Amino acid sequence: NAGVTQTPKFRILKIGQSMTLQCTQDMNHNYMYWYRQDPGMGLKLIYYSVGAGITDKGEVPNGYNVSRSTTEDFPLRLELAAPSQTSVYFCASSQSTGGANTGELFFGEGSRLTVL
Amino acid sequence: AQSVTQLDSHVSVSEGTPVLLRCNYSSSYSPSLFWYVQHPNKGLQLLLKYTSAATLVKGINGFEAEFKKSETSFHLTKPSAHMSDAAEYFCVVSEGGSSYKLIFGSGTRLLVRP
Repeated sequence: NAGVTQTPKFRILKIGQSMTLQCTQDMNHNYMYWYRQDPGMGLKLIYYSVGAGITDKGEVPNGYNVSRSTTEDFPLRLELAAPSQTSVYFCASSQSTGGANTGELFFGEGSRLTVL
Repeated sequence: AQSVTQLDSHVSVSEGTPVLLRCNYSSSYSPSLFWYVQHPNKGLQLLLKYTSAATLVKGINGFEAEFKKSETSFHLTKPSAHMSDAAEYFCVVSEGGSSYKLIFGSGTRLLVRP
């Protein structure tokens, strides 16, 4: 049971380039999230999804896009990378019970992105 | 609006001594509260959670936390620190129910001295 898997683990981008961070989970969770973590800060929610075909913005969505075509996959796309997007990105998933989000998130190991 | 404040950015203890990591929250709703731990270069892992049942919550690795509504606090404690406890700890608040919104504190880095 792999849990939440993110790729790549590390990436260096030049300003203006685009890339996609991949995230897949094998727990059949309906909620999925993308967070970014900057030094000395907590996690900030970028986008989230409550199920296949449904996505919505979090606190810091500018410069990012997501899609959720399947339950398992939730890729995060960076368009026109900027130095401000240098961060560690975490994908997470959670389950709902009786319609309520349990709030227990399962995290991937993170993707460290540097934009130069 | 919800918020969570971790009162210490760094806490340093000696191995075998008690650990106290402090967290205060603000919520207009009946909150759910969580503590997550992050070891270096790893994702976050749930330590424990409070969801309006018992106010004293026990988690993994000997950690526990007490929900005090009158003080709007949810401090994390452990009677005896171990070297393997060195990590970053995050206090998290959620509106609960069907809410997707989890608000993370800025984290407390726990250092354990031999």
